[in-house]
Amino acid sequence: GQQLNQSPQSMFIQEGEDVSMNCTSSSIFNTWLWYKQDPGEGPVLLIALYKAGELTSNGRLTAQFGITRKDSFLNISASIPSDVGIYFCAGHGTSYGKLTFGQGTILTVHP
Amino acid sequence: DVKVTQSSRYLVKRTGEKVFLECVQDMDHENMFWYRQDPGLGLRLIYFSYDVKMKEKGDIPEGYSVSREKKERFSLILESASTSQTSMYLCASNSQGLVQYFGPGTRLTVT
Repeated sequence: GQQLNQSPQSMFIQEGEDVSMNCTSSSIFNTWLWYKQDPGEGPVLLIALYKAGELTSNGRLTAQFGITRKDSFLNISASIPSDVGIYFCAGHGTSYGKLTFGQGTILTVHP
Repeated sequence: DVKVTQSSRYLVKRTGEKVFLECVQDMDHENMFWYRQDPGLGLRLIYFSYDVKMKEKGDIPEGYSVSREKKERFSLILESASTSQTSMYLCASNSQGLVQYFGPGTRLTVT
């Protein structure tokens, strides 16, 4: 089946630093989603991207849908302690309603 | 607000027991999903359902079954729990859009 490679697997940063993570796929996706999972909770949607080349911001978060439709990245600017959690990318190809998830990036922010 | 609830946050079962995980959503969504989450592997789809009494296998259905007797409720069943099924289980739902809304998860330990 389709697979997503998400990197890095984990990041340890200082408060105030910028963060960048990305997902790549061997298959084309028509939609990319980025989720965040707080400790002990389920994932929550951060940003949805529906068009190749699209660049979307949500506060300090910026995500882009790669022009080849095989990749996406998420940037977080000026990180704060509450950014701690696991970030997942997810792609949708042609399978009805189903998403393929990346392995997740564990973000730790030191005050 | 979309609300997806799961019957237990933590569950401890013995090997060989039959285990039921319940998920309820209150937004009249057609589609419901069960995932398991393991470190370094991301979210893997076990089963999904796009209508009452309908079910489709996901990527890792072995050892699991599901039941959807009512639109709002989707149950995951472990017929004979094994230690390899110790994991975090996440339920999600959506309607015609691709964005999935997740419950808080059930952390299952099989001893």
